[in-house]
Amino acid sequence: AQSVTQPDIHITVSEGASLELRCNYSYGATPYLFWYVQSPGQGLQLLLKYFSGDTLVQGIKGFEAEFKRSQSSFNLRKPSVHWSDAAEYFCAVGAPDGQNFVFGPGTRLSVLP
Amino acid sequence: EPEVTQTPSHQVTQMGQEVILRCVPISNHLYFYWYRQILGQKVEFLVSFYNNEISEKSEIFDDQFSVERPDGSNFTLKIRSTKLEDSAMYFCASRTGRAYEQYFGPGTRLTVT
Repeated sequence: AQSVTQPDIHITVSEGASLELRCNYSYGATPYLFWYVQSPGQGLQLLLKYFSGDTLVQGIKGFEAEFKRSQSSFNLRKPSVHWSDAAEYFCAVGAPDGQNFVFGPGTRLSVLP
Repeated sequence: EPEVTQTPSHQVTQMGQEVILRCVPISNHLYFYWYRQILGQKVEFLVSFYNNEISEKSEIFDDQFSVERPDGSNFTLKIRSTKLEDSAMYFCASRTGRAYEQYFGPGTRLTVT
């Protein structure tokens, strides 16, 4: 069965600092991997996705993520955080048959001015 | 840009009452999903729907739940007799037949008193 862990429940960074949010997954084959962001009171917005090919993927809002098969990880990064990035970030894994996603527990990001 | 929409944004109901949560998926999408997020917890898969039938459901999706696509545009989730533990944010999602990323609506917050 698929599973996703996000080891950091809450991260606080200063505006302008770099960011890395960790995601580890468990899946028998190559999964489809996603990062979603949820701002307070909002739905889930897709940041980026990985299916195959280049293991470094670029997303919206200046985010990128790197798939590392050997570490079963798909960490999200941003070189310079903006105050508007404060939100909850969810990593998700999907099976290639395109059925349901399994979400991680989320990491809440706070940004200090 | 097309969006998934959900109504109502907030529904308060009494325990034992039936509720129907409504979703309008993106118009050319073929796969439809319901997820729920209990406050402070992760997003959990409930059910997926394709070609007018349920394609997968989780153990959460018991006989109290049903889904329907009544008119080719709406996608509804019915909870027959609500319980206190059904209080959660319910998200609808949809995707095309070829891409695997799911697009989420803003959610309906269901409060059962």
